[in-house]
Amino acid sequence: DQQVKQNSPSLSVQEGRISILNCDYTNSMFDYFLWYKKYPAEGPTFLISISSIKDKNEDGRFTVFLNKSAKHLSLHIVPSQPGDSAVYFCAASGRSNKLVFGAGTILRVKS
Amino acid sequence: DAMVIQNPRYQVTQFGKPVTLSCSQTLNHNVMYWYQQKSSQAPKLLFHYYDKDFNNEADTPDNFQSRRPNTSFCFLDIRSPGLGDAAMYLCAAATGVNEQFFGPGTRLTVL
Repeated sequence: DQQVKQNSPSLSVQEGRISILNCDYTNSMFDYFLWYKKYPAEGPTFLISISSIKDKNEDGRFTVFLNKSAKHLSLHIVPSQPGDSAVYFCAASGRSNKLVFGAGTILRVKS
Repeated sequence: DAMVIQNPRYQVTQFGKPVTLSCSQTLNHNVMYWYQQKSSQAPKLLFHYYDKDFNNEADTPDNFQSRRPNTSFCFLDIRSPGLGDAAMYLCAAATGVNEQFFGPGTRLTVL
C-alpha cells in the first residue's frame, strides 16, 4: 500500500528550463511534506518542505506547491542546472515522527 | 560540520553470517532511524528510537534488531542475513519534528 507515489521514474530537462516533479499521497492525515535530493553514493539531503496550512513555499530556485484537495504536491526548479541532476524523493508525515517516502524520480538536466 | 556518519560504507557478508552496521551523529538529535532501501524503491523504515524508546515497524523482520547505547550511536544488527536483505541501509537523525538528516548509507551485499 503505497501512501506516497511518484509516478514518473525519470525526467529529462534542458538546462535553464523548468523542472516539475510530482508527488501524490493517499493519507489525509499527512500534514507535512518534504522533498529530499540524493546524489549517487550519498544519503538523501533535505531540500524544501511545506506544511499543510500553506499551499506554496519558495526557497531560491525551488518552490513546492501543495494541493490538499487533490492530495498532490509538486516541486518546481527554475532555472534547472546540471548540478540539479539527482534522485528526488517526496516524503510525508502525520502526527508521528515518521516519514513515508515515495520511490523517487531521477532528474537529468542536460547542458 | 555536524553530521550523520555510517560505517562501513560497503559491507559484504555471507548468507547467514551475522552483520552489524553502525551509525553515529554529532547533531545531538534525540530521534534516530534505520531505513532499508532497495534499488528504485522508496526508503522503508525499519525502526526508530525516540531517545531510548525503541519503536519497531510492524513489518520489520525479526532478523533485524537495533541497539542505541547512547544519544550519539545506533547499531543495526542482522542476525542471519538472507539474499533478500541485500540493500542500502540508511541511518537518519532528527529532533523529533520532521526534517531528518541522513547519513551516506551502507550498501550491504550478501553472498
